[in-house]
Amino acid sequence: NAGVTQTPKFRVLKTGQSMTLLCAQDMNHEYMYWYRQDPGMGLRLIHYSVGEGTTAKGEVPDGYNVSRLKKQNFLLGLESAAPSQTSVYFCASSYPRRLAGKGYEQYFGPGTRLTVT
Amino acid sequence: AQSVAQPEDQVNVAEGNPLTVKCTYSVSGNPYLFWYVQYPNRGLQFLLKYITGDNLVKGSYGFEAEFNKSQTSFHLKKPSALVSDSALYFCAVRPLVYNFNKFYFGSGTKLNVKP
Repeated sequence: NAGVTQTPKFRVLKTGQSMTLLCAQDMNHEYMYWYRQDPGMGLRLIHYSVGEGTTAKGEVPDGYNVSRLKKQNFLLGLESAAPSQTSVYFCASSYPRRLAGKGYEQYFGPGTRLTVT
Repeated sequence: AQSVAQPEDQVNVAEGNPLTVKCTYSVSGNPYLFWYVQYPNRGLQFLLKYITGDNLVKGSYGFEAEFNKSQTSFHLKKPSALVSDSALYFCAVRPLVYNFNKFYFGSGTKLNVKP
């Protein structure tokens, strides 16, 4: 049981380049989330998904797109990277309300450290 | 608006002494409450949660947290700190009714435990 995994672990991009971050979970969670972590700002929600084929905007969605084609995967895309997107990105997953008795908390991946120059 | 406050950016404590990391929240209804710990270059790890029942909940690594409904607080505590407890701690809430699909995080508190 690998839990939540993220690839890649590190990446350096030039301004204007694009990339996709992959998150995978093997816990059969319906909810998945993408956060960014910046010093002194805690975790900020970028996008989230409450099920396969559905996505929604979080607190800081601009400059990012997401897709949830399979229940176990949640992709975060940067179409044209900017230095302001330098951050550590975390994926997380959780059970929905109707299955909350199995666990109410989120489970996090190890993170992707992205630098945009 | 939903919000979580961790009023201390940093907490310093000597090894063997008790520690407290503070958290207050402003969320509609009675939310679920959580503490997570983050070690350097790692993801967040779940420590403990309050769902219902006894206001004092126990979690991993000897940590516990006290829920106070009237003060809307959920402070993290440990009777005797270890140097290995040094890390970044996050408080989080999950609304019970509206926005159940979202978690709201505090800005984090860095705990330094000195030998």
